[in-house]
Amino acid sequence: KQEVTQIPAALSVPEGENLVLNCSFTDSAIYNLQWFRQDPGKGLTSLLLIQSSQREQTSGRLNASLDKSSGRSTLYIAASQPGDSATYLCAVGGNSGYSTLTFGKGTMLLVSP
Amino acid sequence: KAGVTQTPRYLIKTRGQQVTLSCSPISGHRSVSWYQQTPGQGLQFLFEYFSETQRNKGNFPGRFSGRQFSNSRSEMNVSTLELGDSALYLCASSLQGHEKLFFGSGTQLSVL
Repeated sequence: KQEVTQIPAALSVPEGENLVLNCSFTDSAIYNLQWFRQDPGKGLTSLLLIQSSQREQTSGRLNASLDKSSGRSTLYIAASQPGDSATYLCAVGGNSGYSTLTFGKGTMLLVSP
Repeated sequence: KAGVTQTPRYLIKTRGQQVTLSCSPISGHRSVSWYQQTPGQGLQFLFEYFSETQRNKGNFPGRFSGRQFSNSRSEMNVSTLELGDSALYLCASSLQGHEKLFFGSGTQLSVL
């Protein structure tokens, strides 16, 4: 059974810092990995999707890497802003290829001005 | 382009009742999946539908069921509600089921 762990559970940084969020998973037989953000009381917004054959994806100030063999992914946020404050969730897609994601518990990020 | 729409936004029910939640996917998306989110368990996969067929099911009791219509809209039903069913229920859609997922804002269900 796939298990996804995110470290740290919470993170507080001053505006402008670069930061790294970590995600690990127990079964390396994955189809893809997605990073989401969730604002309080809201649904999830997909940030980056990495296919199992890829090593990284970039979107603006965000960069996600994937090391499937070691069961790890990182989300790098450059020059953090107060608007980045949210919970960040890592989710692993199973080998069926369908949208049956296993989620981590998330990292709650607070960026203070 | 309209996003994923879930109705209702909030629901309050009592134990033993049943409830139906609705999800309208993004136009053109044929895969709809449902997730339950609770503070203790986090996000857990319920089931996924594609072209009116359930393709995958998570580890939930048979009280949780769903269906998908020919226009890709989906409903999920929970019968004989229990206190532990209180959660945020999220619906997500994608084109075929293995691309980026787009989530709705969810239905917050409270069981009293």
